[in-house]
Amino acid sequence: GQNIDQPTEMTATEGAIVQINCTYQTSGFNGLFWYQQHAGEAPTFLSYNVLDGLEEKGRFSSFLSRSKGYSYLLLKELQMKDSASYLCAVMDSNYQLIWGAGTKLIIKP
Amino acid sequence: NAGVTQTPKFRILKIGQSMTLQCAQDMNHNYMYWYRQDPGMGLKLIYYSVGAGITDKGEVPNGYNVSRSTTEDFPLRLELAAPSQTSVYFCASSYEREVDEQFFGPGTRLTVL
Repeated sequence: GQNIDQPTEMTATEGAIVQINCTYQTSGFNGLFWYQQHAGEAPTFLSYNVLDGLEEKGRFSSFLSRSKGYSYLLLKELQMKDSASYLCAVMDSNYQLIWGAGTKLIIKP
Repeated sequence: NAGVTQTPKFRILKIGQSMTLQCAQDMNHNYMYWYRQDPGMGLKLIYYSVGAGITDKGEVPNGYNVSRSTTEDFPLRLELAAPSQTSVYFCASSYEREVDEQFFGPGTRLTVL
């Protein structure tokens, strides 16, 4: 079966750095996506990785290791508005997105 | 651009009733998708479309139907609603399928009692 694993919940302090991990087992791999979802709202795109390595976009970075079936999302200089769920999704061999259950990130002052 | 729009925002149905969830996009995207999101679980693909007149089943299509008569619209039909269909439904679209991000509508929160 296909599986995406992420921690259910994480807590961090405003101004700090947090790393959200994602491990996956899918039938094929055509890229990994990270989305942000605030409570009661729609997911919005954060990043896309298809090659191994780090992609940096402002305060957010995403890393991929295809050989290990592993990715992480790194959030720097945390702000209160970063309190949200972060969804990891892998595009499988049929070009369908397989979604993790999401990691709820709580930011404390 | 309005992006992806969905109606209604909220709906309560009785068991056995039917309804249509509306979805429209104004970005001229070829690909459109319907997902459901249940608490503690990842988004599940119900149906998707690669263009007007072409639809295909996703992971959880039972109890749902779709049509795509235009590029803009992709309605989702629930026949004979069941409590298991209580969920938040998201419509999404993308220009390409492989590497393109998906743009999501605001969602429809459906309760079946």
